[in-house]
Amino acid sequence: EIVLTQSPGTLSLSPGERATLSCRASQSVSSSNLAWYQQKPGQAPRLLIYDASSRATGIPDRFSGSGSGTDFTLTISRLEPEDFAVYYCQQYGSSGLPFGGGTKVEIK
Amino acid sequence: EVQVVESGGDLVQPGGSLRLSCAASGFTFSSYAMSWVRQAPGKGLEWVSAISGRGGSTFYADSVKGRFTISRDNSKNTLYLQMNSLRAEDTAVYYCAKSVRYHPVAGYFDYWGQGALVTVSS
Repeated sequence: EIVLTQSPGTLSLSPGERATLSCRASQSVSSSNLAWYQQKPGQAPRLLIYDASSRATGIPDRFSGSGSGTDFTLTISRLEPEDFAVYYCQQYGSSGLPFGGGTKVEIK
Repeated sequence: EVQVVESGGDLVQPGGSLRLSCAASGFTFSSYAMSWVRQAPGKGLEWVSAISGRGGSTFYADSVKGRFTISRDNSKNTLYLQMNSLRAEDTAVYYCAKSVRYHPVAGYFDYWGQGALVTVSS
């Protein structure tokens, strides 16, 4: 089973700065079957990115995903106040649907 | 409008059982796989189980295999999770999530419910 490791655990940044979040898989993810979700306190997760680089409906273009194989990145080009949250990556297409441990993006 | 609404969360003693339900609307329920995902207090997301559109194929995380059973009633547009032999470490908010695919583990989740809290404690 694929294990996803996210880094860093916490990212302390100011509004307007660029955020770069990493998700590394223990083995190659087929067909770039990787998604990113955002979760705010007390809320359900929200889909941001699927197929490693496709934005979900209604997601602003400051969010972008990239990567293939075992290394994937979520980039937020300029942080808005509403972007401070926890972000999770998820692999799909094999025998399970594992999530990474999450990266918290907090206000510096 | 797509909606998924969980119910059935409760306080249960260790070793006990509980059944969660998830009522879906706004889409052709039988065409999509569904999953349960849980989140222990202060922790990350953990995928628990998935079921195909017609219910013929199921998958489980190792942590719940043999104790939890996922099922669905497409005539009622409802997903279920039967949880037996519950342990303290099963305490979590349980989310119902809709897949974008028919096969249980082929797709990501485009809609989530608000969650149901299960607390396992004596």
